[in-house]
Amino acid sequence: AQSVAQPEDQVNVAEGNPLTVKCTYSVSGNPYLFWYVQYPNRGLQFLLKYITGDNLVKGSYGFEAEFNKSQTSFHLKKPSALVSDSALYFCAVRDWGYSGAGSYQLTFGKGTKLSVIP
Amino acid sequence: DTEVTQTPKHLVMGMTNKKSLKCEQHMGHRAMYWYKQKAKKPPELMFVYSYEKLSINESVPSRFSPECPNSSLLNLHLHALQPEDSALYLCASSQGPRSRGPYEQYFGPGTRLTVT
Repeated sequence: AQSVAQPEDQVNVAEGNPLTVKCTYSVSGNPYLFWYVQYPNRGLQFLLKYITGDNLVKGSYGFEAEFNKSQTSFHLKKPSALVSDSALYFCAVRDWGYSGAGSYQLTFGKGTKLSVIP
Repeated sequence: DTEVTQTPKHLVMGMTNKKSLKCEQHMGHRAMYWYKQKAKKPPELMFVYSYEKLSINESVPSRFSPECPNSSLLNLHLHALQPEDSALYLCASSQGPRSRGPYEQYFGPGTRLTVT
């Protein structure tokens, strides 16, 4: 079974400082990893993904994530936080292997609330 | 265009009402999903349609009835709901499992459902 852990319920960072939102995962095969952001009363917006290739993945709105296979981590990062980045962030994983109907089912972490302080 | 649309945005219904939620995408995606999301929690998968056929039902009560009329549309029919069913209902779509990717799901803005 696949699982995702986001160890921090909330992350506070000052505007202009770098931010990191942590995610670790567990899958039986190669992972497909995703980050989504959710603003209040809105749906989830896709930020970035790791499928294969370079361990540093760049995504929307200046976000990037670093895939670390040995530590089974996929931390979300941004060099300089904006107040508008304040939102709920979800990490998700999908197992690479195709095993029928469930193969494209995402498993989400519990979410991390990011607050950027002016 | 990576847009998934959902109607209505808000819905208030009594426990004896029948209503429907609608979802539409025009990205050529062949997998569509219904999720239920409670406040500050991750989305919980309810149903998956793959190539217009129901492929996953996550033990959802029969008062929720999904329908996929064609590859672009997804409905969720609601009947005799309970107050605890109040939540944000999200629709999503992605490439089907037989594709070579990309594999991310795109979400609609959701329908905020309140059951009174």
